[in-house]
Amino acid sequence: SQQGEEDPQALSIQEGENATMNCSYKTSINNLQWYRQNSGRGLVHLILIRSNEREKHSGRLRVTLDTSKKSSSLLITASRAADTASYFCATDESDYKLSFGAGTTVTVRA
Amino acid sequence: EPEVTQTPSHQVTQMGQEVILRCVPISNHLYFYWYRQILGQKVEFLVSFYNNEISEKSEIFDDQFSVERPDGSNFTLKIRSTKLEDSAMYFCASVRMGDTQYFGPGTRLTVL
Repeated sequence: SQQGEEDPQALSIQEGENATMNCSYKTSINNLQWYRQNSGRGLVHLILIRSNEREKHSGRLRVTLDTSKKSSSLLITASRAADTASYFCATDESDYKLSFGAGTTVTVRA
Repeated sequence: EPEVTQTPSHQVTQMGQEVILRCVPISNHLYFYWYRQILGQKVEFLVSFYNNEISEKSEIFDDQFSVERPDGSNFTLKIRSTKLEDSAMYFCASVRMGDTQYFGPGTRLTVL
């Protein structure tokens, strides 16, 4: 089945640095969404990018989408300790059902 | 900003017992979902619900599971006879149409 798969699995950076994570998927999509999850907590929606969009920004977040390569990237600029979390990409399937990847765990060191 | 709410936040039950997890989706949303996340694993789709009926379900969603929208606001997931492997975080989500899917904070289900 269609899945988003994130890379890397884990990322450790210094506060102030940028964090980049990638997501690959298998079949065509309508849109791709990125979510953040703090340990043991709920999923917080970060950004949605549609299949006809190539790049989107929201605050310190930048998302790209390359449908020819079936991949997306999430860049967090000027990271903060509060950005420490797991980040998931999710691709939509029928009836907007989402298929999640395993996530990238980001640790921002103070 | 409107949000999806879920109750309870944590449910502890004995194996074989029935549990009902409750959700209040965002009021003008049309599609409703349940997902689960076993500890340390990825979020998995369970079921989608539209126009008062199940539109799609995964192989996880067997006869022990059922969903209901008993009134205009609540959306429930029932597990008839819980198993140890049902222990997970259960998330409700809703979407208006082709847009951002909003998730609730989750219910942590622990089956003993």
